[in-house]
Amino acid sequence: DQQVKQNSPSLSVQEGRISILNCDYTNSMFDYFLWYKKYPAEGPTFLISISSIKDKNEDGRFTVFLNKSAKHLSLHIVPSQPGDSAVYFCAARGLGNTGKLIFGQGTTLQVKP
Amino acid sequence: DTEVTQTPKHLVMGMTNKKSLKCEQHMGHRAMYWYKQKAKKPPELMFVYSYEKLSINESVPSRFSPECPNSSLLNLHLHALQPEDSALYLCASSQGGPFNNSPLHFGNGTRLTVT
Repeated sequence: DQQVKQNSPSLSVQEGRISILNCDYTNSMFDYFLWYKKYPAEGPTFLISISSIKDKNEDGRFTVFLNKSAKHLSLHIVPSQPGDSAVYFCAARGLGNTGKLIFGQGTTLQVKP
Repeated sequence: DTEVTQTPKHLVMGMTNKKSLKCEQHMGHRAMYWYKQKAKKPPELMFVYSYEKLSINESVPSRFSPECPNSSLLNLHLHALQPEDSALYLCASSQGGPFNNSPLHFGNGTRLTVT
């Protein structure tokens, strides 16, 4: 049973435009959500997180939105840059999971110059 | 540069070998993790150490043996592995314990190939 789902395996965006990556979850016990970026041959790099008491968190070009009623979160990147091309993982954690992170399957973002 | 350092970067070992993966962090983090990642899959948790004690073992086979000598170091001892154990092994750390809402910081991993 996949508790964190990223239904789009890939996304292609023009440089300068907005990239929107989506993530859905099924476990209402999740209370902390994170986005990671991963380049080939490197470990995941933490981007931004959000607690379930908030519905938005912003850090520079990156904004994460959380819709608890829909069990949905999204990552917005504005403006997109070619260096943003990577695999993006959303992850969730909650007391019901003894604190461990559950990762989605990842979305490969390609930003074209 | 990542603040979590893993060595070696690459490792090729036979099924009868014994080897160890090493991980080091100097951020004062009190929780450390081993994850395994297969190609085109998300990372999967193996072990969590909290304040140098093993707090989570995700039913990992005994051919993988973790060790936390001190709060900065985490090892993964490997013995009698199978070819299907070939993967990227990622170490991570986080401030406080695993139940603290702080992000995990990952190393760049060890690419393990079992022949």
